[in-house]
Amino acid sequence: DAGVIQSPRHEVTEMGQEVTLRCKPISGHDYLFWYRQTMMRGLELLIYFNNNVPIDDSGMPEDRFSAKMPNASFSTLKIQPSEPRDSAVYFCASTPGAGKTQYFGPGTRLLVL
Amino acid sequence: AQRVTQPEKLLSVFKGAPVELKCNYSYSGSPELFWYVQYSRQRLQLLLRHISRESIKGFTADLNKGETSFHLKKPFAQEEDSAMYYCALKGRNYQLIWGAGTKLIIKP
Repeated sequence: DAGVIQSPRHEVTEMGQEVTLRCKPISGHDYLFWYRQTMMRGLELLIYFNNNVPIDDSGMPEDRFSAKMPNASFSTLKIQPSEPRDSAVYFCASTPGAGKTQYFGPGTRLLVL
Repeated sequence: AQRVTQPEKLLSVFKGAPVELKCNYSYSGSPELFWYVQYSRQRLQLLLRHISRESIKGFTADLNKGETSFHLKKPFAQEEDSAMYYCALKGRNYQLIWGAGTKLIIKP
């Protein structure tokens, strides 16, 4: 298994543009998490899904952020419109059950100019 | 309240010196704690969990319920230990509650 796959690995965009980050969890894992990592705030949980259903999105910063999981093997995190303060590394993680070890993707490094 | 505190954002020690990364938690009940590590430009990965009582890469962490701590220790630091370390607590809804992380730098 290739592990959790994220794309793109790097994204540079201009303020106001739409950004879509993608994640493919490990096959068989029924939980998927989106995190944001910054120097100032460390690792923040944005949203997580169980069996493709969003369970807790209280960490989503504002309405500009949205996440979907149309099927068990794919999730997206969208920022529209993007702002410079959204610049961060966004991680996706999956786990085979509640409270099990989380397996992280390589992250997407986003820079909004 | 469920909370994880890593008081040091940055810790710098010389190679060969002992290392202790501090983690304190707030949780009523029996906690389950983890240490994750992120090497430069790599993905975050599990280092160890307290229920396993294991030693990984020379690191150990003991749960001290009296002091509500789960400090990560290594007797002799190596340069390849330089990384970002996160302490995490399994919360009541089984999801992880993360500390702010400590950046460990091992000086040659």
